[in-house]
Amino acid sequence: SQKIEQNSEALNIQEGKTATLTCNYTNYSPAYLQWYRQDPGRGPVFLLLIRENEKEKRKERLKVTFDTTLKQSLFHITASQPADSATYLCALDTNFNKFYFGSGTKLNVKP
Amino acid sequence: KAGVTQTPRYLIKTRGQQVTLSCSPISGHRSVSWYQQTPGQGLQFLFEYFSETQRNKGNFPGRFSGRQFSNSRSEMNVSTLELGDSALYLCASTSMGTGTAEAFFGQGTRLTVV
Repeated sequence: SQKIEQNSEALNIQEGKTATLTCNYTNYSPAYLQWYRQDPGRGPVFLLLIRENEKEKRKERLKVTFDTTLKQSLFHITASQPADSATYLCALDTNFNKFYFGSGTKLNVKP
Repeated sequence: KAGVTQTPRYLIKTRGQQVTLSCSPISGHRSVSWYQQTPGQGLQFLFEYFSETQRNKGNFPGRFSGRQFSNSRSEMNVSTLELGDSALYLCASTSMGTGTAEAFFGQGTRLTVV
């Protein structure tokens, strides 16, 4: 089955810097990949979706890349703010809305 | 419009009991998925329903079951509860029949088995 790896260690960065989170997967390349944000005690919130034929997707301060050769997606938050502190999850589809989620990377943005 | 609503928010049950969790998707969404989230395992897919039909099932024992009603509301049931079933149970609804759209998650039901 598909396995998704995200850095389990928390990422600590200073406010204003760019945060870069990594998502690696094994086996087959999905048709698309999604990134979610999760705050403690709450459900994940959708951020971005990128398709296999798209190298890069942007939304405001967020940028996602998708490299099917490396089987990797990178998630960037530019000009990070303390409010960006949360756990970020990547998710890969299989079929019919069955997603495999990574374990998430906790981001801490210090003022 | 209203988001995904899960009830109850918190639940404490004893080993051996059974429990039913409810999920009301966003109006118009016909796909509802259920996930179990634990600190050690992360988000694990349980099953997905679309128009009252279970289309996908994760690797969970038969004690975990679900159903979907004609109004797209969904329930999941766990019988013969075990301590290891303690987790945050999340449901998500999507507008599309396939995963090409974002999933909207509810706040989850925190189940504690004692």
